[in-house]
Amino acid sequence: GAVVSQHPSWVICKSGTSVKIECRSLDFQATTMFWYRQFPKQSLMLMATSNEGSKATYEQGVEKDKFLINHASLTLSTLTVTSAHPEDSSFYICSATGGLQPQHFGDGTRLSIL
Amino acid sequence: GENVEQHPSTLSVQEGDSAVIKCTYSDSASNYFPWYKQELGKGPQLIIDIRSNVGEKKDQRIAVTLNKTAKHFSLHITETQPEDSAVYFCAASMGNQGGKLIFGQGTELSVKP
Repeated sequence: GAVVSQHPSWVICKSGTSVKIECRSLDFQATTMFWYRQFPKQSLMLMATSNEGSKATYEQGVEKDKFLINHASLTLSTLTVTSAHPEDSSFYICSATGGLQPQHFGDGTRLSIL
Repeated sequence: GENVEQHPSTLSVQEGDSAVIKCTYSDSASNYFPWYKQELGKGPQLIIDIRSNVGEKKDQRIAVTLNKTAKHFSLHITETQPEDSAVYFCAASMGNQGGKLIFGQGTELSVKP
């Protein structure tokens, strides 16, 4: 089946640093990628929708200058958490879709800010 | 906007029994309803989906039913096995399989051997 790879799977960094998360679709062209945030024992909260070659569309309440999204190719989207603080600690998950493909999810990135 | 309600939040069954999880949605324009299984520390995995022009779909031990009039859809797992234990999410989309998904709150299923 379709595979979406997300990297890194786990990252710990100091407060104030920026962290980049990559999301790759390995066997189909992802015209649209989504970025989610998930807190423990909660559902997935959509942060933004990213269409290849276009600016991302952010959900209400999500700071676009805080969470930078780039989708420059049909197989790669990146999420950069800028000047990360402890409250940004969370599980971040991407998904990808394109053509007739349903949304396929990566295995997430657990971000811990000290 | 669309709102998806899912219940129960937790479900415990004996191995071999059936499990049913139900979801309701608010916007009649929704036309695509996937179900995802999420294991601990991993991303959601699509297990089955249904479109609004179909009332029922089955894939081995898993089936999904959709009632457009009542705006609810359900996941049925028969002959449950311990490896079915996970969190299950329903979702709804107005843009077919490529559209934005609105997720339910999730159901933690525990299958006891």
